[in-house]
Amino acid sequence: GAVVSQHPSRVICKSGTSVKIECRSLDFQATTMFWYRQFPKQSLMLMATSNEGSKATYEQGVEKDKFLINHASLTLSTLTVTSAHPEDSSFYICSARDMAVSTDTQYFGPGTRLTVL
Amino acid sequence: TQLLEQSPQFLSIQEGENLTVYCNSSSVFSSLQWYRQEPGEGPVLLVTVVTGGEVKKLKRLTFQFGDARKDSSLHITAAQPGDTGLYLCAGASGGEPGTASKLTFGTGTRLQVTL
Repeated sequence: GAVVSQHPSRVICKSGTSVKIECRSLDFQATTMFWYRQFPKQSLMLMATSNEGSKATYEQGVEKDKFLINHASLTLSTLTVTSAHPEDSSFYICSARDMAVSTDTQYFGPGTRLTVL
Repeated sequence: TQLLEQSPQFLSIQEGENLTVYCNSSSVFSSLQWYRQEPGEGPVLLVTVVTGGEVKKLKRLTFQFGDARKDSSLHITAAQPGDTGLYLCAGASGGEPGTASKLTFGTGTRLQVTL
């Protein structure tokens, strides 16, 4: 149980284009999902908290107009990187909390490798 | 800003050796989790510790949460090549009432176990 999927697993795009990444909880419902970014040989940095049915909460220094988050259902959150630039190239990972479990445990997706040319 | 420092950053050992990874912070966490991450994949949860002083064992891995819930350690006995990976600790801290706790990840420890 507690499987989180991401799509696509890797994407290459041209500078200036937008890219959408999907995060799905496959066998549980998640009112809260989280989006992280991980640069090579570094740890995970939280970008934003995605709340079902309401606006996302962004961490300091993360541009909300550049990284659009939509959490339209209890099993799906999307992250859209708008007007992507080479410096946005990174490994994007989502996680989800099982709303039926009262712990802080987050289940992570397999990640999406974004390369902006 | 909460910081979680892990030490060592890198560790290269031979199969059969023991090792300990430390995760330290000046902040108190409601719980602490340990993950292992393979290259190009998401982190996989190993354990969650909640109570100060708690010790959990997972086969050859022993996890301990500090009494003050500010630090933790991971001890691996008789390391195997399959233990190779990036080990991450993550502390959970609550926000506003009714909101989900956020995780602050440690700086990571990259372990390589050779034959």
